[in-house]
This record gives sequence, C-alpha cells and structure tokens, in this order.
Amino acid sequence: DTAVSQTPKYLVTQMGNDKSIKCEQNLGHDTMYWYKQDSKKFLKIMFSYNNKELIINETVPNRFSPKSPDKAHLNLHINSLELGDSAVYFCASSQVGGQMNTEAFFGQGTRLTVV
Amino acid sequence: AQSVTQLGSHVSVSEGALVLLRCNYSSSVPPYLFWYVQYPNQGLQLLLKYTSAATLVKGINGFEAEFKKSETSFHLTKPSAHMSDAAEYFCAVTPMGFSGGYNKLIFGAGTRLAVHP
Repeated sequence: DTAVSQTPKYLVTQMGNDKSIKCEQNLGHDTMYWYKQDSKKFLKIMFSYNNKELIINETVPNRFSPKSPDKAHLNLHINSLELGDSAVYFCASSQVGGQMNTEAFFGQGTRLTVV
Repeated sequence: AQSVTQLGSHVSVSEGALVLLRCNYSSSVPPYLFWYVQYPNQGLQLLLKYTSAATLVKGINGFEAEFKKSETSFHLTKPSAHMSDAAEYFCAVTPMGFSGGYNKLIFGAGTRLAVHP
C-alpha cells in the first residue's frame, strides 16, 4: 500500500509540449511538496501546499503550475517544456503540528526527459 | 541562510568496515536534521532524524548520527558496512524558525557510498 504515489514513473516528451505529473498521498498529511532532482542528484524544493493553499514557491518559472484539488493530491503541470526541465521530480508529504516539523515521505519519483 | 555541506561526494568502504558520512550545517536557528537514503531509481527513505531531543540518534538499518552543536555537524555512521548499504545518502535541514512553518528541506549535495567485498 503505497504512501505517496506518483504517476507516471517515466515521461519522455518533446520540447514545447505540455505535461502533467500526478501525486497522491494516503497518509492523511496536510502538507505536500514538489522537489526537483537534477542530473547531479541535487535536490531542491519547488512548491509546498498546506491544506490546498500554496505556501512555498521557490522562484520556479511560471511554466510550472501546481494544483491541489484536495489535501491528498498535488499535481504538477508544466507548459512549453524545455530541455532544461529534464530531471527527476519527487512528490512528498508531511504532517505539521504547531512547531513540530515531521519528516517528509517521498514518492518514487518521475523521471522527465525532454527531447 | 540555511545550508548543508556534505564532505565527500563519493565514499568507498570494504564490507564490514566502518561507514562515516559527514554533514555540516549552517542555520541561524536550531534546526531539525535528517538523513535520507536513495537507492538506484528509488525515492528517498528516511534513515533518521534529529528534532532537539537526544543528540545521539539511532535510525534504521544500523545507522546512527550524532548532533554536535559546537561543531555544527550531524555525521552519519554505521559500525559495519553491508553490500546492501550502497546508495546515495542525503543530509537535510529544516530550520525550526522557518517563517512558513513547514518542512522546507534543504539538502546537501549527497554522498554516494560504495561497498566492495
């Protein structure tokens, strides 16, 4: 029973296309995230949502638009894909209570290749 | 600004040898610290975390880490390496005082651990 699941796992597409990556968590967490891992394995946060509200937007290009229909889902839509968007995208979730920062649980990742 | 430095992008040990992966952080407020492991083509799995309780933290798979405030370090150790420990290891920090109030994980660059027979 997968806690944080992403689809698809692999995505190959041409420059200029629009694509979406879906993420769902069944942990009952109230906060979800998108992280990007580049070709050198460096991980950086892109977005964070808490109860469907955008909390963090780390200067990501406007071509990236997250959407959270409910607190269990956080999808990532990318317009006009560029070669530089090729990376592994990880969805994650956590539960936040007061001042407690609990660990983030990560999905398996979506490897996006733009050709 | 918070940051994490992992010394050594590649570490190679013999099976049965001590594993030591180094992590230093900078944070203007007391942080929470984490070690995650990534196996090939997998997501990240939490090994252990420090959240201002005991400074010596034990995690899964025999790993442990010690928080040393004076050295701003959170090094990961395992007494005896196993072949299955070969993976990428990431140290990460979440500043408790982060104004957003949520887990903005700031990752180090990662250390690839190789274990040879």
